[in-house]
Parts: sequence; C-alpha cells; structure tokens
Amino acid sequence: DAGVTQSPTHLIKTRGQQVTLRCSPKSGHDTVSWYQQALGQGPQFIFQYYEEEERQRGNFPDRFSGHQFPNYSSELNVNALWLGDSALYLCASSLYDYGYTFGSGTRLTVV
Amino acid sequence: GNSVTQMEGPVTLSEEAFLTINCTYTATGYPSLFWYVQYPGEGLQLLLKATKADDKGSNKGFEATYRKETTSFHLEKGSVQVSDSAVYFCALTVNREYGNKLVFGAGTILRVKS
Repeated sequence: DAGVTQSPTHLIKTRGQQVTLRCSPKSGHDTVSWYQQALGQGPQFIFQYYEEEERQRGNFPDRFSGHQFPNYSSELNVNALWLGDSALYLCASSLYDYGYTFGSGTRLTVV
Repeated sequence: GNSVTQMEGPVTLSEEAFLTINCTYTATGYPSLFWYVQYPGEGLQLLLKATKADDKGSNKGFEATYRKETTSFHLEKGSVQVSDSAVYFCALTVNREYGNKLVFGAGTILRVKS
C-alpha cells in the first residue's frame, strides 16, 4: 500500500519564478495538508484541502495557493518566489481528521 | 494562540543511556499531543500520541504522558540505540469544526554514539 507520494523530490528555482509541487495521498485518504519546513525549524501549516476546497489556512501570503483534484491528489503553487521560500515542503494526508501520514517532502531551493 | 516549546538540541547520548526530551505547550481548548520523528532525508513519522490528560502514549520503547497540570508532554526512553538518532518534534492539534492542523515545536536533534 503506497503511502504519500510527493514530486519532485528536489528542485531549484530562480527568484521571481513560479513553482508547482504535487502530492498523491495515501490510498483511502481524502484530506491533504501542506506544511513548510525551513532548515532547522519545525513544519509550519500552509493550508488543508478537503472535498476540493481549502478548508483551513495558515499564516501564509496569497502567493501560496493550492488545488485538490477529484482523485484527492493535490498541488501547491507558489508565485513570485523569493529566497525565503527555500524549504522542505511536506504533504500530509488523512481520512478527514483522523491520523496524518506524511510524505518525504520536496526540497525547494530558490537562488 | 497555540504553541509548542521543545528543549534545544542537539542532545548527544551514548548507547543505552536514558533519554528525556522536554516539551511544553500552550493551547486554547483541549489539545491532542503528538511526538513525530524525522530521519535524515525522510518525512515525518508518528511516534506516539495522547488525546486526554494522564494518557500515556508509547511506541518502540518511547513513552510520553499528557500532563495537563504542567502543560507538558516529555518524551522518554530507557535505553537509546544508535538507530534512534533523528530529529524529534512535539506537536499538538486543537479540534475545531473545520480541520485540526498540527502545530509543531522547533524540533530536537538526538545523536546517539556507540
């Protein structure tokens, strides 16, 4: 049974560019949450999607947006990248609010 | 607001030593508490959890007790192994009507030497 799959695993972008990160949830899970983990810090909640809608959002600017598809997979988009967006982006899936499973993350480097 | 404070690391121990990683929290409402572990190059894995006061979560020799009176959830293990070297995160959720996001501490690096 596949867990949470994230792609790509690593990428490098230039300041001002846009990036899309992808997440496939664990089989049977219908809720996807995204977290940003800066180097040496704990993960910070970005937003959560359920039934293709953003259900809850953390303290992140509108440059961060997302989407959930009918098959429950999700994308995280970040526009106008700046150096401070460099981080590990983690996706977590769950069945509604019960028990999160995390992916291995996407390491984004902005240069 | 909701927040988690963990002891700063890194914590360096010899194999078979006793481990304690302190965690305290502030929360509006009645939180559930968690410990997650992150091995190098990997995502987060749930280590243990407790959902009400005086509950003890345990897994793989690790344990933590939900102490409401001291707002603490300290992680302990009686005898650490080299394979326990990782980053440990304390976290909480406060159940709300729509979503229960995880709030994490900054993490504590554990290094175990043979």
